[in-house]
Amino acid sequence: DAMVIQNPRYQVTQFGKPVTLSCSQTLNHNVMYWYQQKSSQAPKLLFHYYDKDFNNEADTPDNFQSRRPNTSFCFLDIRSPGLGDAAMYLCATSRDKGLADGTQYFGPGTRLTVL
Amino acid sequence: SQELEQSPQSLIVQEGKNLTINCTSSKTLYGLYWYKQKYGEGLIFLMMLQKGGEEKSHEKITAKLDEKKQQSSLHITASQPSHAGIYLCGAANNDMRFGAGTRLTVKP
Repeated sequence: DAMVIQNPRYQVTQFGKPVTLSCSQTLNHNVMYWYQQKSSQAPKLLFHYYDKDFNNEADTPDNFQSRRPNTSFCFLDIRSPGLGDAAMYLCATSRDKGLADGTQYFGPGTRLTVL
Repeated sequence: SQELEQSPQSLIVQEGKNLTINCTSSKTLYGLYWYKQKYGEGLIFLMMLQKGGEEKSHEKITAKLDEKKQQSSLHITASQPSHAGIYLCGAANNDMRFGAGTRLTVKP
């Protein structure tokens, strides 16, 4: 089955220690997104890639970076995690932008704990 | 930026009862998505509405879009424990913006 996969499902890191979260997709979609979701809150878009074009949200901290080496994979790098970065991180993909093609399909998420 | 407000924030119903969840936008809705999220997991796409007055159904879940009211409603008929979870609406005027979700509990 075509899907969005996130690894690991649970990640524990120490304050200030860099961490990388991984997302892969078998849908061959053009767009990949990273969201941060804190408890009982709406998912917040951090950035997205349209093919190789990187689009950063204005309020995404510089501490968060992303890489998309190919169509299938996208990584979220947190350079110096703080306690406030503990959250669920969701990866999503869409075929394109726009209403119908812009339907996003989500992975199961990675729950990040910062000690 | 567009704000989406969902009501109620949480809902507890007895199995077999009907229920409605509302999503109201601060701006014109050009399209609206409904997702379901189980605790600690990703979002599952339910349906997308893109025209005023449009209504879609999937199994026992029906969603409607009222463009004039800038509102969408999600209705579940004869709820079952499998319907439990968090329902989120999302609007895609530019990039996706989500509501905070409605947490649904269905008591057997």
